[in-house]
Amino acid sequence: AQSVTQPDIHITVSEGASLELRCNYSYGATPYLFWYVQSPGQGLQLLLKYFSGDTLVQGIKGFEAEFKRSQSSFNLRKPSVHWSDAAEYFCAVGWGGGADGLTFGKGTHLIIQP
Amino acid sequence: GAVVSQHPSRVICKSGTSVKIECRSLDFQATTMFWYRQFPKQSLMLMATSNEGSKATYEQGVEKDKFLINHASLTLSTLTVTSAHPEDSSFYICSALGAGETQYFGPGTRLLVL
Repeated sequence: AQSVTQPDIHITVSEGASLELRCNYSYGATPYLFWYVQSPGQGLQLLLKYFSGDTLVQGIKGFEAEFKRSQSSFNLRKPSVHWSDAAEYFCAVGWGGGADGLTFGKGTHLIIQP
Repeated sequence: GAVVSQHPSRVICKSGTSVKIECRSLDFQATTMFWYRQFPKQSLMLMATSNEGSKATYEQGVEKDKFLINHASLTLSTLTVTSAHPEDSSFYICSALGAGETQYFGPGTRLLVL
């Protein structure tokens, strides 16, 4: 079955430290890949997406993600986190393209330590 | 740009009543909208795909007679939870398909059925 795995339920990072959130998907072809952030009381905000081309994708708020076909991964990174980055992060996949409903991972809750 | 609103943001109703949730794309037209359900501290699950002017497509296991979807215009889709029961209590989130095959999400509607 098609699935999206975010292996880390919670991650705690000190402010100013680097961050990497993991995402793996199970499917043969390359799907459309997204990272969204959900803050309390707010809707999901798109951080970045990958459809094709350059496998290193730059997003908003200083985030980037790298698509690795051999590992079926699309990990999210940020070189230096800020306290305002504390939120829930979701990796999502569009199996049939960007216009299809998305399959979400379970999310990773990011905690920022002062 | 690409703002999606939902109304109401939260609703409490009695068991057996029906509740309508609106999803609007405010600054773009969306021929396709999606409805998701999110349980506490869990991921989003796609319920249905709503296409303007046609019947919605429901995911396996979602009762189409219980969750009525109407997409009457290019900026409005509605989800009606009919004869709601406590197990229908959840966070309902809509998205609208915008430019670049990207979904833009609403802030969600918290439904509590007593």
